[in-house]
Amino acid sequence: SAVISQKPSRDICQRGTSLTIQCQVDSQVTMMFWYRQQPGQSLTLIATANQGSEATYESGFVIDKFPISRPNLTFSTLTVSNMSPEDSSIYLCSVEWRGTGTSYEQYFGPGTRLTVT
Amino acid sequence: AQSVTQLDSQVPVFEEAPVELRCNYSSSVSVYLFWYVQYPNQGLQLLLKYLSGSTLVKGINGFEAEFNKSQTSFHLRKPSVHISDTAEYFCAVSDMFPNAGGTSYGKLTFGQGTILTVHP
Repeated sequence: SAVISQKPSRDICQRGTSLTIQCQVDSQVTMMFWYRQQPGQSLTLIATANQGSEATYESGFVIDKFPISRPNLTFSTLTVSNMSPEDSSIYLCSVEWRGTGTSYEQYFGPGTRLTVT
Repeated sequence: AQSVTQLDSQVPVFEEAPVELRCNYSSSVSVYLFWYVQYPNQGLQLLLKYLSGSTLVKGINGFEAEFNKSQTSFHLRKPSVHISDTAEYFCAVSDMFPNAGGTSYGKLTFGQGTILTVHP
């Protein structure tokens, strides 16, 4: 299985500032995903990040607000820009990892709990 | 577009009782179905998945789920729960597409989550 770590694990930020979240995987993976989990809500996909190409954003999410980098096959960052209290959420990184047989499975990081004041 | 509905936001049960967490989905194409568990302050862990074949899928920790295409459901069950099963459970659907190394799942669409609380 893939082991995923995220930094920071939690942070409290002031509105108008930006925070960069790091996602590190212990093995090389092609596809990485960033999800948001707002308080009391389910997970919503922000974007898909493949190494060597621009991230693909889901409806309602834009690059200016959530720029993503994917410099290599084991690392990605998500920046939450110009934060407002509505950005208070848990942000999770996930990766696709070769599971049993020919199928892939998605593994999730522990998440970054962000509070914007 | 795909969507997932988890019919119960909270399910309280007593230890050693059976439990069923309900999940219904809608999609215009064939889907692949998953259940994930999220323990407090942790990431998501895959419990089980349905890709094809037998409609009864067994997962980790004694959980199982049954795919019912006609009812578009994928309910999660466990015959006897433990205190340690207290967590939030998410049902999810995904496209699947082939890649060079094998079949790969696309993005996951999650349900709203069901909080299972097991009481002693």
